[in-house]
Amino acid sequence: RKEVEQDPGPFNVPEGATVAFNCTYSNSASQSFFWYRQDCRKEPKLLMSVYSSGNEDGRFTAQLNRASQYISLLIRDSKLSDSATYLCSFGNEKLTFGTGTRLTIIP
Amino acid sequence: EPEVTQTPSHQVTQMGQEVILRCVPISNHLYFYWYRQILGQKVEFLVSFYNNEISEKSEIFDDQFSVERPDGSNFTLKIRSTKLEDSAMYFCASSHEGVWNQPQHFGDGTRLSIL
Repeated sequence: RKEVEQDPGPFNVPEGATVAFNCTYSNSASQSFFWYRQDCRKEPKLLMSVYSSGNEDGRFTAQLNRASQYISLLIRDSKLSDSATYLCSFGNEKLTFGTGTRLTIIP
Repeated sequence: EPEVTQTPSHQVTQMGQEVILRCVPISNHLYFYWYRQILGQKVEFLVSFYNNEISEKSEIFDDQFSVERPDGSNFTLKIRSTKLEDSAMYFCASSHEGVWNQPQHFGDGTRLSIL
């Protein structure tokens, strides 16, 4: 099993729609989980940490399922500016990244 | 908002030459990292640095690589004898505490092109 698996997409979603991504991880000892977004040829930018109880930040909701070893990201009311590649990551010190899920919001 | 800064933004070097990539982490951060991303591939961990020593390194970080914190602000990555396959974006990151307490914040990267 790969360390991290993400559906690479692309996801082409109309503006205003809701979209969700999952990311599975193999290391059950992982303690910290994050979602980053990466625009083309730019650095990863922290979107949100993922907490065991689930957390929300505006239109974004992150969930962690330790039993099934996956994290998820839900984006509601998607905007054109949400178009990016979304990277899941986890780690105890170093971060291990997924390959990213490419999202394009269509007007 | 404080940010991690990296220089240069783009470095072009002949194969076999040495390069030094520079980073200024966020000032109150204690943990420093280097990652790289080959074009079209995922972000890969290279090395972590805390309390003036390497705390973890990946298989990529072989004897050709070294890191240094020469003063209170800079954090450098040196590649001694570059290879074509070293061409990538190199990202520096820092965090205030270990990653289980605080997320890592990334600089905008140095694009390294080996000819």
